[in-house]
Amino acid sequence: KAGVTQTPRYLIKTRGQQVTLSCSPISGHRSVSWYQQTPGQGLQFLFEYFSETQRNKGNFPGRFSGRQFSNSRSEMNVSTLELGDSALYLCASSWTGGEGGYTFGSGTRLTVV
Amino acid sequence: DAKTTQPPSMDCAEGRAANLPCNHSTISGNEYVYWYRQIHSQGPQYIIHGLKNNETNEMASLIITEDRKSSTLILPHATLRDTAVYYCIVRVNQGGATNKLIFGTGTLLAVQP
Repeated sequence: KAGVTQTPRYLIKTRGQQVTLSCSPISGHRSVSWYQQTPGQGLQFLFEYFSETQRNKGNFPGRFSGRQFSNSRSEMNVSTLELGDSALYLCASSWTGGEGGYTFGSGTRLTVV
Repeated sequence: DAKTTQPPSMDCAEGRAANLPCNHSTISGNEYVYWYRQIHSQGPQYIIHGLKNNETNEMASLIITEDRKSSTLILPHATLRDTAVYYCIVRVNQGGATNKLIFGTGTLLAVQP
């Protein structure tokens, strides 16, 4: 079966711009979570969506936002990009809440210059 | 903060069993132990999870001590492709605010030829 698909794989943006990342979960999975990975902070939870509703949120500024569509596909948006937003952004999906384990995508590598 | 402690790195000879320890001395009665691994530049991969009984699947075995304060992930016959960072995570499977993974720094397992 198809895995979790994240697009684009690589992205270069300039400070102050905004960016939108996309995630298509495994078919039938209704929970989609987003994580940020940086060398300094490691893997950090951003937010989780379930049935188009944000169910859980990590400790990130309001510049980071997301949404989920009726087909469970999810997007995350980062506005007013800062150099420190350069990271690997990972999406993970599961049936409900990850009880049986999450399936992660390969991520989007964002570089802010 | 992560609720687990893992050694930063370990070596293992190819073909031998890799035993990765994890300390979770403050684990609550309703928290599960999960293991994920991350191969360089890829998203984390779910391996196995358990509550108090030992578990085995096609990838690995999970041994949880009787007091549940520590566990060991066992890769029975390590190959070079098992070289990765292994994360031990504890979480409650009750939905809502618990639907997130709190990653620590993990153990870098280097399988040597």
